[in-house]
Amino acid sequence: QVQLQESGPGLVKPSQTLSLTCSVSGVSISSGSYYWGWIRQPAGKGLEWVGRVYTSGSYSYNPSLESRVTISVDTSENRFSLTLTSVTAADTAVYYCAIGPSYCGGDCYVESWGQGTLVIVSS
Amino acid sequence: QSVLTQPPSVSGAPGQRVTISCTGSNSNFGAGYDVHWYQHLPGTAPKLLIYGNRNRPSGVPDRFSGSKSGTSASLAITGLQAEDEADYYCQSYDSNLRDVFGTGTKVSVL
Repeated sequence: QVQLQESGPGLVKPSQTLSLTCSVSGVSISSGSYYWGWIRQPAGKGLEWVGRVYTSGSYSYNPSLESRVTISVDTSENRFSLTLTSVTAADTAVYYCAIGPSYCGGDCYVESWGQGTLVIVSS
Repeated sequence: QSVLTQPPSVSGAPGQRVTISCTGSNSNFGAGYDVHWYQHLPGTAPKLLIYGNRNRPSGVPDRFSGSKSGTSASLAITGLQAEDEADYYCQSYDSNLRDVFGTGTKVSVL
């Protein structure tokens, strides 16, 4: 059973960088079996893909965030991370880490989710 | 605003059947991309209900079923139960916008 746990600051100042980490247990990130992704949900709104990456190095980011987002994988610590630069209040949301099968190609589904972590962007 | 449109809410009495539509376009469903469905209870992690248009993961009751035709998809819940009260989201891939979720539907059990 794969388990995911997000961690990181709950408060980030505007214009600064949001950094979150997802610790993975139950599977090795280097196995290549999954993609590693992030999804967010602003309060009162729907789910929004942030992006996903593969152990091979390929990635797919939300075009509206692509200039500001990086998802990276740390195989030595079995975790992956989200970095979002130049944040504004619009980036306030619950952020979920998520994984799905790496074979899915374009229309990938999310097989497992973390519990989510609230990040507030405010001075 | 998502490219996958769902009704904001649907409701039904216990035991009834409800359906949730997910309307897409030629750049997602019409291009052959699959639809997936999730159940989301506030404060918890979303749960995969249907993947690949009509497949249920292990442990998901067969009361939940999915279908896709042309540029639309739907999720049906039969034998509605109080525990089904939640938000439901469709999800797919769009040639222009990449991974996308639907706008979400709140299911209420009367």
